[in-house]
Amino acid sequence: QVQLVESGGGVVQSGRSLRLSCAASGFIFSSYAMHWVRQAPGRGLEWVAVIWYDGTNKYYADSVKGRFTISRDISKNTLYLQMSNLRAEDTAVYFCVRGFSGTLSGMDVWGQGTAVTVSS
Amino acid sequence: DIQMTQSPSTLSASVGDRVTITCRASQSISSWLAWYQQKVGKAPKLLIYDASSLESGVPSRFSGSGSGTEFTLTISSLQPDDFATYYCQQYNYYPYTFGQGTKLEIK
Repeated sequence: QVQLVESGGGVVQSGRSLRLSCAASGFIFSSYAMHWVRQAPGRGLEWVAVIWYDGTNKYYADSVKGRFTISRDISKNTLYLQMSNLRAEDTAVYFCVRGFSGTLSGMDVWGQGTAVTVSS
Repeated sequence: DIQMTQSPSTLSASVGDRVTITCRASQSISSWLAWYQQKVGKAPKLLIYDASSLESGVPSRFSGSGSGTEFTLTISSLQPDDFATYYCQQYNYYPYTFGQGTKLEIK
């Protein structure tokens, strides 16, 4: 079955970096766009970034642009989110989400999330 | 960025009730809208996509309608498992944006 499993979360000091990973299985990873969506404690959902199926197009929320980088390794069926210069407001559960298709489209399958806490 | 506004923010209802949640976009998004259900401590679950298409495996008591800037999610007869938070989300433009959520509570 289609599965997304995030890892790499934890507690990190403000200003430091962290890399999240998302292992995909049960579908042809190279055919789908992949997203990161986050949810701060007690708050709503915030879309973070997307990478298209072939890695040629990447888009980011303004709140993370220039600090976060999304990437994918087709050979490992893995999605990444490199987060740098972390701020307290980046504290959230980060979800890996599959797109409906390889480009601009909705999102369907969600991972269980990995929690990131940025401490000052 | 496109702003998505849901109403109400909180909704109290009873099992068996018919409920409707509204989502408005700050500009036209055609039918590129999804609805998600989220329970506490869990990942969101896709219910409706393309404004009115029911995701596979989702009960038929859930339905979506609308286009342009006005959308609705309707639950025809509430079941105990439906008490959760619901989000709309547009995917017509980047950055994708979500509504603030509607918490459906037991009356």
